[in-house]
Amino acid sequence: AQSVAQPEDQVNVAEGNPLTVKCTYSVSGNPYLFWYVQYPNRGLQFLLKYITGDNLVKGSYGFEAEFNKSQTSFHLKKPSALVSDSALYFCAVRDGPAAGNKLTFGGGTRVLVKP
Amino acid sequence: EAQVTQNPRYLITVTGKKLTVTCSQNMNHEYMSWYRQDPGLGLRQIYYSMNVEVTDKGDVPEGYKVSRKEKRNFPLILESPSPNQTSLYFCASAVYFGTATNEKLFFGSGTQLSVL
Repeated sequence: AQSVAQPEDQVNVAEGNPLTVKCTYSVSGNPYLFWYVQYPNRGLQFLLKYITGDNLVKGSYGFEAEFNKSQTSFHLKKPSALVSDSALYFCAVRDGPAAGNKLTFGGGTRVLVKP
Repeated sequence: EAQVTQNPRYLITVTGKKLTVTCSQNMNHEYMSWYRQDPGLGLRQIYYSMNVEVTDKGDVPEGYKVSRKEKRNFPLILESPSPNQTSLYFCASAVYFGTATNEKLFFGSGTQLSVL
């Protein structure tokens, strides 16, 4: 069975400092990896995805993620965090290319960026 | 504007009283899905639909029903709600088999359900 682990319930970072949100996954076959962000009282919004190709994926709002096949990780990063980045972040893995393939979410990591 | 619309936004009910949460999307997406979000558990899929009249169970389907009679609508039905169904519910839609540019899920704003 596929799974996603986000080992940190919360990440605290000062504004302007680098932000990293960790994610490791387990899936049979090639992984299709996603990051979503949830702002208060909103639905999840797509940030970025890894399907194939370059291991460094760039997404919305200055976020990027690094795919590491040997470590089965897909950590989300931002070089300089903003207070407005405070939100709940979800990593997800899908076991195939179609929307109908099984998509599994991690438990989420709350990011708090302090001024 | 492309969007997924859920109603109601908040719902308080009592055990056993049937309820329906509506979901509608205006993007002509084939794929629609319901998730529940519980602290520490992330999002868990309840049911999904790959097209009209095609639905299937997700990871936590017990106590829920769905229907897909029209492409744009995918209501979630709780025939006899119980307190353990108190949760935050999200509807989502997507192109079923997209290109690299449109594989993402579009989510509604959520329905906070409390079953007393």
